[in-house]
Amino acid sequence: AQKVTQAQTEISVVEKEDVTLDCVYETRDTTYYLFWYKQPPSGELVFLIRRNSFDEQNEISGRYSWNFQKSTSSFNFTITASQVVDSAVYFCALSAQKGIQGAQKLVFGQGTRLTINP
Amino acid sequence: GAGVSQSPSNKVTEKGKDVELRCDPISGHTALYWYRQSLGQGLEFLIYFQGNSAPDKSGLPSDRFSAERTGGSVSTLTIQRTQQEDSAVYLCASSSGTRLVKGTSYEQYFGPGTRLTVT
Repeated sequence: AQKVTQAQTEISVVEKEDVTLDCVYETRDTTYYLFWYKQPPSGELVFLIRRNSFDEQNEISGRYSWNFQKSTSSFNFTITASQVVDSAVYFCALSAQKGIQGAQKLVFGQGTRLTINP
Repeated sequence: GAGVSQSPSNKVTEKGKDVELRCDPISGHTALYWYRQSLGQGLEFLIYFQGNSAPDKSGLPSDRFSAERTGGSVSTLTIQRTQQEDSAVYLCASSSGTRLVKGTSYEQYFGPGTRLTVT
């Protein structure tokens, strides 16, 4: 079975602070994919990043960075110099490669509500 | 281009009535998914369609739930004899994945959702 745990239910920081959102996953699959999605107050889920299980390179995109560590089954997300517009619920998700089909259902964590205060 | 669209955006229905929710995926996307987001259960997978393959219905919570996808495009999620616990936001997503190449996965792009309230 697959499971994603986001232990932080809510985080509140002051603008310009750095903040890290934790994600721990469980899977028995050898090939899997990890995702982060953002859900702003408008409600629509916005794709942020995908990582493959065999590629542990960390990634940086502007103020966002992701730290993937297979040894600890973690895929953490850091926002540097946070801004009020970063306020949203962030979801970590996992899917496994099954056969040769591309369609893979996502297993989501419970989400972390991030509030950036001015 | 156009994203995933869903209709209606809001639906209020009485307990026991049937409802139909519609999803129009991104043009050319072969995979279509339904998820449900509720306060108590978070984001849950319901069903997905991939090309002409049999759908994966493993997430449907009961036989009151069904879905179809006509012509490989638009999908309808039907809930019969609605119950109050069916109240949730129903999200549709699509992705371009067909045959998977190792190292490739396909991001799912989500629609705005349909908020269902059963009174």
